[in-house]
Amino acid sequence: SAVISQKPSRDICQRGTSLTIQCQVDSQVTMMFWYRQQPGQSLTLIATANQGSEATYESGFVIDKFPISRPNLTFSTLTVSNMSPEDSSIYLCSVERDSTPTFGSGTRLTVV
Amino acid sequence: AQSVSQHNHHVILSEAASLELGCNYSYGGTVNLFWYVQYPGQHLQLLLKYFSGDPLVKGIKGFEAEFIKSKFSFNLRKPSVQWSDTAEYFCAVISGGGADGLTFGKGTHLIIQP
Repeated sequence: SAVISQKPSRDICQRGTSLTIQCQVDSQVTMMFWYRQQPGQSLTLIATANQGSEATYESGFVIDKFPISRPNLTFSTLTVSNMSPEDSSIYLCSVERDSTPTFGSGTRLTVV
Repeated sequence: AQSVSQHNHHVILSEAASLELGCNYSYGGTVNLFWYVQYPGQHLQLLLKYFSGDPLVKGIKGFEAEFIKSKFSFNLRKPSVQWSDTAEYFCAVISGGGADGLTFGKGTHLIIQP
């Protein structure tokens, strides 16, 4: 399975600030996916990031709040902008290998 | 849009008891089905998956799941649970194309009492 590294693993941020989460994969992939897991909840897809094109966002998520970059086939970033306590969640990067989604260890974000 | 329903949100069992967690999905086309597990403080791990073929699939740690197409179900089973099976279990679906990411159920919090 793919090796996915996410940075930072956790952070505590002040409301109104922004945090950029990095996701590095050990081999080239076409699509990278970003998910959010709110406390005590399941995972929800935020957006799909393809290299060379704009990310595709799911209903309820917008580019201004969650801008995504995908500069090459092994790397992506997700920014959580103008944070509020409601953004406190685990954010996960995922890729597919052999049609099977694999997840990074996630970034645990707490907004105070 | 596809959706996934997990019927049991909290399950408490004693060690050696049998386990069955329900999962139903709504999508009329071809799907790939997954069960993931999240142990306390750890990240998501794949338990098992179904793409095609034998509808009874076996995964890690003695888990298995049965795909019943007519019922749109993919229930997870284990004959005899252990205390170490305490975790959150998620059923998830990808439609045949795979480009839309996973749709997850709400999860089942399983507690095994020694």
